[in-house]
Amino acid sequence: AQSVAQPEDQVNVAEGNPLTVKCTYSVSGNPYLFWYVQYPNRGLQFLLKYITGDNLVKGSYGFEAEFNKSQTSFHLKKPSALVSDSALYFCAVRDNTGGFKTIFGAGTRLFVKA
Amino acid sequence: EAGVAQSPRYKIIEKRQSVAFWCNPISGHATLYWYQQILGQGPKLLIQFQNNGVVDDSQLPKDRFSAERLKGVDSTLKIQPAKLEDSAVYLCASIPSNTGELFFGEGSRLTVL
Repeated sequence: AQSVAQPEDQVNVAEGNPLTVKCTYSVSGNPYLFWYVQYPNRGLQFLLKYITGDNLVKGSYGFEAEFNKSQTSFHLKKPSALVSDSALYFCAVRDNTGGFKTIFGAGTRLFVKA
Repeated sequence: EAGVAQSPRYKIIEKRQSVAFWCNPISGHATLYWYQQILGQGPKLLIQFQNNGVVDDSQLPKDRFSAERLKGVDSTLKIQPAKLEDSAVYLCASIPSNTGELFFGEGSRLTVL
């Protein structure tokens, strides 16, 4: 069965420090992986995706994510956090073996302190 | 390019009443998803369409929820009768291809009293 886990409900980091938001997944076949961000009272915004190729994917607002097949992980990273990065982050996985069903993790709230 | 359109943006109803939400995806997007997002939680997939056919509705509470996508373009999600636990934001999303990211609408926020 397809699943996504975001093990941390909240991540706290100081402004200027690097941040990591964790995601692990389970899916049949090769996964398509996505990260989205949600600000209060706003819709979900796409940050980046991994489909194939280079394991390090770069996305919007300076974010990047590393696909690790052996660990079935797709952690979101940023070298230097901004207060404005504070938001709710969702990891998603799509099954590419037929149905292309896309499911989301429970979310991780990122709090960046000035 | 116009985005995914949803209406209404907000709806308040009494329990046991019915409600319907409408979604018009981006032109040319064959795949459409409906998600339910309860406050503070991740979006939960309710139903997925490919053109006008249902691909997955395994998480749709079929005793009260129904959805259709006639003509393979816009879609309607209906709840009848509503329960208190249906209070959530209902998100519609579409994708341009099987490798594409989801494009979300602004959502329809439902409050059941």
